[in-house]
Amino acid sequence: EPEVTQTPSHQVTQMGQEVILRCVPISNHLYFYWYRQILGQKVEFLVSFYNNEISEKSEIFDDQFSVERPDGSNFTLKIRSTKLEDSAMYFCASRKVRDSTEAFFGQGTRLTVV
Amino acid sequence: AQKVTQAQTEISVVEKEDVTLDCVYETRDTTYYLFWYKQPPSGELVFLIRRNSFDEQNEISGRYSWNFQKSTSSFNFTITASQVVDSAVYFCALSEWGKLIFGQGTELSVKP
Repeated sequence: EPEVTQTPSHQVTQMGQEVILRCVPISNHLYFYWYRQILGQKVEFLVSFYNNEISEKSEIFDDQFSVERPDGSNFTLKIRSTKLEDSAMYFCASRKVRDSTEAFFGQGTRLTVV
Repeated sequence: AQKVTQAQTEISVVEKEDVTLDCVYETRDTTYYLFWYKQPPSGELVFLIRRNSFDEQNEISGRYSWNFQKSTSSFNFTITASQVVDSAVYFCALSEWGKLIFGQGTELSVKP
């Protein structure tokens, strides 16, 4: 069964460092997303990406964040200068159709900023 | 604004009990989609069900059933004869222009 793959599963980084979280969405999906879940809290939308551009972003997704799909398969989230409060589980998701199909989530990357 | 409310933060039951997880949503859209996801202790998000606003039929899948009521903006989830493996956090979500808006989640603990 096709699945969304995220790497790494766990990343520890020092405050101020740049991190790149990687995702390989399901191959025939067109819509891509990043979500964040701070420990014990709900899952929050960060950004959606379609047709090689951001279609929507939340207020969490400030200038420190960026996304790209460099090679038609990988979908990355970059945090330029990490802060302690960026520590969270980051989920990548993809959908075939924007609303009427389910979003398939990767297993998540746990980011710990120290 | 779209909103999903799961008022039950934690529920604890004994195995074989039935349990219902509540979900209330707010939207101004006439066409919308609702979802339930399960997050087991391992952390991944597992899709359980999708429901569109035009289909108010209740759905049953094994021990799981869902009750969608547009009149009360609710989409409740019932587990019949709960098992220890059902222990997880369950999220209700509403789809808005592609993004999912999640509720706070209900942590279900099923004790043997």
